[in-house]
Amino acid sequence: GAGVSQSPSNKVTEKGKDVELRCDPISGHTALYWYRQSLGQGLEFLIYFQGNSAPDKSGLPSDRFSAERTGGSVSTLTIQRTQQEDSAVYLCASSLTRMQFFGPGTRLTVL
Amino acid sequence: RKEVEQDPGPFNVPEGATVAFNCTYSNSASQSFFWYRQDCRKEPKLLMSVYSSGNEDGRFTAQLNRASQYISLLIRDSKLSDSATYLCVVNGDGNNRKLIWGLGTSLAVNP
Repeated sequence: GAGVSQSPSNKVTEKGKDVELRCDPISGHTALYWYRQSLGQGLEFLIYFQGNSAPDKSGLPSDRFSAERTGGSVSTLTIQRTQQEDSAVYLCASSLTRMQFFGPGTRLTVL
Repeated sequence: RKEVEQDPGPFNVPEGATVAFNCTYSNSASQSFFWYRQDCRKEPKLLMSVYSSGNEDGRFTAQLNRASQYISLLIRDSKLSDSATYLCVVNGDGNNRKLIWGLGTSLAVNP
């Protein structure tokens, strides 16, 4: 009965470094979403995977951001050459229907 | 016009009060509607789906008005533990599972 898990829970990095954030969705969920949320702000959609379809990347803020989902399960969000404005909580969600279930997030701090 | 709009609040109410939030959406083709709750520095959690005929879950009642394109959430006999941000969520059109998130309404229930 595991929910969505994300790792690491916290990541502190230096400006210019690359980071990888991992999401393990609920088993059997075909859709996976990445969002980010800055302090006191709403959810910002980043990318959405649905089965074997091409992902919806319309929310990625720049080409420094990329994501992949291997084998229809685990997903990795990669941020290259991190900037201070990338500091936020990165949330992953998965769904089987339209109801999304969230992981606890990764808090990214770029110094 | 934003796709999903909510009054940000904050709503400050005493324990035991009844409080209602509204949310308007712009896409008349939307088919799925949800309320999520988000506690401070936590991930959003599904509170309830919103059905066409309206639905109730304990102290919480959700209603949908398709003609006016809004959904509502009513909380009766509010508890201190109801203090949170309530997010209105609507799907895009058709079978799209991508959800559009409101920025949330902040509720503080005071002793």
